[in-house]
Amino acid sequence: GIQVEQSPPDLILQEGANSTLRCNFSDSVNNLQWFHQNPWGQLINLFYIPSGTKQNGRLSATTVATERYSLLYISSSQTTDSGVYFCAVESDRYSSASKIIFGSGTRLSIRP
Amino acid sequence: NAGVTQTPKFQVLKTGQSMTLQCAQDMNHEYMYWYRQDPGMGLRLIHYSVGEGTTAKGEVPDGYNVSRLKKQNFLLGLESAAPSQTSVYFCASRSRSSYNEQFFGPGTRLTVL
Repeated sequence: GIQVEQSPPDLILQEGANSTLRCNFSDSVNNLQWFHQNPWGQLINLFYIPSGTKQNGRLSATTVATERYSLLYISSSQTTDSGVYFCAVESDRYSSASKIIFGSGTRLSIRP
Repeated sequence: NAGVTQTPKFQVLKTGQSMTLQCAQDMNHEYMYWYRQDPGMGLRLIHYSVGEGTTAKGEVPDGYNVSRLKKQNFLLGLESAAPSQTSVYFCASRSRSSYNEQFFGPGTRLTVL
Protein backbone atom coordinates (compact mmCIF):
# COMPACT_ATOMS: atom_id res chain seq x y z
CA GLY A 1 0.00 0.00 0.00
CA ILE A 2 0.90 3.66 -0.12
CA GLN A 3 3.40 4.97 2.43
CA VAL A 4 3.11 8.41 4.02
CA GLU A 5 6.05 10.00 5.81
CA GLN A 6 5.98 13.28 7.69
CA SER A 7 8.89 15.38 8.84
CA PRO A 8 10.08 16.57 11.20
CA PRO A 9 8.48 14.36 13.88
CA ASP A 10 8.83 17.09 16.49
CA LEU A 11 9.27 20.84 16.23
CA ILE A 12 9.67 23.39 19.04
CA LEU A 13 9.48 27.08 18.15
CA GLN A 14 9.15 30.45 19.80
CA GLU A 15 5.96 32.40 19.29
CA GLY A 16 6.21 34.47 16.12
CA ALA A 17 8.45 32.04 14.24
CA ASN A 18 7.63 30.48 10.88
CA SER A 19 7.63 26.74 10.14
CA THR A 20 7.40 24.29 7.27
CA LEU A 21 6.03 20.78 7.69
CA ARG A 22 6.55 18.16 5.00
CA CYS A 23 4.56 15.14 3.85
CA ASN A 24 6.05 12.66 1.37
CA PHE A 25 4.00 9.89 -0.20
CA SER A 26 5.13 6.85 -2.13
CA ASP A 27 2.63 6.81 -5.02
CA SER A 28 0.25 9.04 -6.92
CA VAL A 29 -2.69 10.34 -4.91
CA ASN A 30 -6.08 11.75 -5.77
CA ASN A 31 -6.84 13.08 -2.30
CA LEU A 32 -4.65 14.78 0.28
CA GLN A 33 -5.68 16.54 3.44
CA TRP A 34 -3.89 18.32 6.27
CA PHE A 35 -5.36 18.10 9.77
CA HIS A 36 -4.53 19.75 13.07
CA GLN A 37 -5.11 17.73 16.23
CA ASN A 38 -5.36 20.15 19.11
CA PRO A 39 -4.24 19.36 22.67
CA TRP A 40 -7.79 18.18 23.47
CA GLY A 41 -7.62 15.55 20.74
CA GLN A 42 -10.00 17.16 18.28
CA LEU A 43 -9.14 16.71 14.59
CA ILE A 44 -9.62 19.88 12.60
CA ASN A 45 -9.59 20.05 8.81
CA LEU A 46 -7.01 22.54 7.57
CA PHE A 47 -6.73 21.96 3.84
CA TYR A 48 -8.03 19.65 1.17
CA ILE A 49 -5.21 19.92 -1.36
CA PRO A 50 -4.51 17.08 -3.82
CA SER A 51 -2.54 19.56 -5.94
CA GLY A 52 -1.67 23.23 -6.13
CA THR A 53 -1.51 25.88 -3.42
CA LYS A 54 -4.06 27.17 -0.94
CA GLN A 55 -3.92 29.78 1.79
CA ASN A 56 -6.05 30.39 4.85
CA GLY A 57 -4.84 33.24 7.03
CA ARG A 58 -1.43 32.43 8.49
CA LEU A 59 -1.52 28.90 7.07
CA SER A 60 -0.83 27.82 3.53
CA ALA A 61 -0.22 24.49 1.82
CA THR A 62 1.33 23.35 -1.42
CA THR A 63 1.12 19.91 -3.00
CA VAL A 64 3.39 18.94 -5.88
CA ALA A 65 1.67 15.76 -6.96
CA THR A 66 4.20 14.88 -9.68
CA GLU A 67 7.01 14.91 -7.08
CA ARG A 68 4.89 13.23 -4.39
CA TYR A 69 5.10 15.72 -1.58
CA SER A 70 3.07 18.35 0.21
CA LEU A 71 4.18 21.23 2.44
CA LEU A 72 2.28 23.03 5.18
CA TYR A 73 3.50 26.52 6.07
CA ILE A 74 2.68 28.24 9.33
CA SER A 75 3.68 31.87 9.63
CA SER A 76 3.89 34.02 12.76
CA SER A 77 3.22 31.03 15.02
CA GLN A 78 0.92 31.41 18.01
CA THR A 79 0.65 29.19 21.08
CA THR A 80 -2.75 28.02 19.82
CA ASP A 81 -0.97 26.45 16.83
CA SER A 82 0.48 23.81 19.15
CA GLY A 83 -0.61 20.25 18.58
CA VAL A 84 -0.03 17.51 16.04
CA TYR A 85 -0.31 18.07 12.32
CA PHE A 86 -1.31 15.11 10.17
CA CYS A 87 -1.18 14.53 6.46
CA ALA A 88 -3.67 11.97 5.06
CA VAL A 89 -3.78 10.61 1.52
CA GLU A 90 -5.93 8.47 -0.72
CA SER A 91 -4.67 6.74 -3.83
CA ASP A 92 -6.76 5.29 -6.62
CA ARG A 93 -3.86 3.07 -7.63
CA TYR A 94 -5.08 0.42 -5.20
CA SER A 95 -8.19 -1.75 -5.30
CA SER A 96 -9.56 -0.27 -2.08
CA ALA A 97 -9.72 3.20 -3.52
CA SER A 98 -11.61 4.68 -0.59
CA LYS A 99 -8.88 3.99 1.96
CA ILE A 100 -7.39 7.11 3.47
CA ILE A 101 -4.00 6.58 5.10
CA PHE A 102 -2.46 8.90 7.67
CA GLY A 103 1.14 9.85 8.26
CA SER A 104 2.57 9.63 11.77
CA GLY A 105 2.30 13.39 12.28
CA THR A 106 4.48 16.35 13.28
CA ARG A 107 4.19 17.46 16.89
CA LEU A 108 4.49 21.25 17.03
CA SER A 109 5.08 23.07 20.29
CA ILE A 110 4.99 26.88 20.31
CA ARG A 111 6.65 28.51 23.33
CA PRO A 112 5.34 31.91 24.52
CA ASN B 1 -25.93 19.92 11.16
CA ALA B 2 -24.31 17.96 13.96
CA GLY B 3 -21.69 16.53 11.58
CA VAL B 4 -20.16 13.30 12.88
CA THR B 5 -21.12 12.23 16.39
CA GLN B 6 -19.76 9.37 18.49
CA THR B 7 -21.04 7.66 21.61
CA PRO B 8 -19.86 7.10 24.23
CA LYS B 9 -17.11 9.68 24.80
CA PHE B 10 -15.38 7.55 27.43
CA GLN B 11 -15.57 3.85 28.30
CA VAL B 12 -13.76 1.52 30.67
CA LEU B 13 -14.00 -2.23 30.08
CA LYS B 14 -12.59 -5.29 31.74
CA THR B 15 -10.67 -7.82 29.66
CA GLY B 16 -13.11 -10.12 27.88
CA GLN B 17 -16.09 -7.77 27.95
CA SER B 18 -17.82 -6.73 24.78
CA MET B 19 -19.15 -3.40 23.63
CA THR B 20 -20.24 -1.40 20.59
CA LEU B 21 -19.03 2.06 19.68
CA GLN B 22 -21.58 4.09 17.77
CA CYS B 23 -21.03 6.63 15.02
CA ALA B 24 -23.61 8.75 13.23
CA GLN B 25 -23.37 11.34 10.48
CA ASP B 26 -26.04 13.67 9.13
CA MET B 27 -24.25 14.77 5.94
CA ASN B 28 -25.59 11.94 3.74
CA HIS B 29 -22.03 10.70 3.18
CA GLU B 30 -21.51 7.37 1.46
CA TYR B 31 -18.13 6.51 3.00
CA MET B 32 -17.52 5.97 6.69
CA TYR B 33 -14.37 4.97 8.57
CA TRP B 34 -13.18 3.77 11.96
CA TYR B 35 -9.65 4.64 13.11
CA ARG B 36 -7.71 4.05 16.29
CA GLN B 37 -5.06 6.36 17.66
CA ASP B 38 -2.55 5.10 20.19
CA PRO B 39 -0.56 7.52 22.37
CA GLY B 40 1.97 9.52 20.37
CA MET B 41 0.99 7.90 17.10
CA GLY B 42 -0.99 8.62 13.99
CA LEU B 43 -4.38 7.22 13.07
CA ARG B 44 -4.65 3.67 11.80
CA LEU B 45 -7.61 2.49 9.76
CA ILE B 46 -9.55 -0.39 11.35
CA HIS B 47 -12.51 -0.88 9.01
CA TYR B 48 -14.38 1.23 6.51
CA SER B 49 -17.60 1.20 4.51
CA VAL B 50 -18.34 2.48 1.03
CA GLY B 51 -22.10 2.23 1.44
CA GLU B 52 -25.02 0.79 3.35
CA GLY B 53 -24.61 -2.93 3.88
CA THR B 54 -20.94 -3.04 2.82
CA THR B 55 -17.80 -3.08 4.94
CA ALA B 56 -14.11 -3.71 4.33
CA LYS B 57 -10.96 -4.27 6.36
CA GLY B 58 -8.41 -1.56 6.93
CA GLU B 59 -4.86 -1.77 8.28
CA VAL B 60 -5.62 -3.19 11.75
CA PRO B 61 -8.96 -5.09 11.64
CA ASP B 62 -8.21 -7.98 14.02
CA GLY B 63 -10.37 -8.07 17.13
CA TYR B 64 -13.02 -5.74 15.69
CA ASN B 65 -16.21 -6.13 13.73
CA VAL B 66 -18.35 -3.48 12.06
CA SER B 67 -21.82 -3.06 10.66
CA ARG B 68 -23.46 -0.47 8.40
CA LEU B 69 -27.16 -1.29 8.39
CA LYS B 70 -28.16 2.32 7.77
CA LYS B 71 -26.33 4.87 5.66
CA GLN B 72 -26.00 7.32 8.52
CA ASN B 73 -24.69 4.84 11.13
CA PHE B 74 -21.45 2.86 11.40
CA LEU B 75 -20.97 0.60 14.42
CA LEU B 76 -17.66 -0.77 15.73
CA GLY B 77 -17.83 -3.86 17.91
CA LEU B 78 -15.33 -5.41 20.27
CA GLU B 79 -16.41 -8.97 21.00
CA SER B 80 -13.80 -9.75 23.66
CA ALA B 81 -11.88 -6.66 24.70
CA ALA B 82 -8.13 -6.88 25.32
CA PRO B 83 -5.75 -4.37 26.97
CA SER B 84 -4.09 -3.90 23.56
CA GLN B 85 -7.33 -2.29 22.39
CA THR B 86 -6.93 0.59 24.83
CA SER B 87 -6.91 3.58 22.50
CA VAL B 88 -8.84 6.57 21.23
CA TYR B 89 -11.27 5.64 18.48
CA PHE B 90 -12.27 8.09 15.78
CA CYS B 91 -15.08 7.80 13.29
CA ALA B 92 -15.03 9.74 10.03
CA SER B 93 -17.15 10.17 6.94
CA ARG B 94 -16.94 11.68 3.49
CA SER B 95 -18.79 11.92 0.24
CA ARG B 96 -18.20 9.38 -2.52
CA SER B 97 -16.89 12.05 -4.83
CA SER B 98 -13.15 11.93 -5.27
CA TYR B 99 -12.88 15.58 -4.49
CA ASN B 100 -14.28 15.74 -1.00
CA GLU B 101 -12.65 16.03 2.38
CA GLN B 102 -13.04 13.69 5.33
CA PHE B 103 -14.81 14.84 8.49
CA PHE B 104 -14.07 13.43 11.95
CA GLY B 105 -16.07 12.84 15.09
CA PRO B 106 -14.78 13.90 18.53
CA GLY B 107 -13.44 10.46 19.45
CA THR B 108 -14.13 7.77 22.06
CA ARG B 109 -11.49 7.12 24.70
CA LEU B 110 -11.53 3.40 25.56
CA THR B 111 -9.57 1.81 28.40
CA VAL B 112 -9.44 -1.97 28.77
CA LEU B 113 -8.24 -3.15 32.18
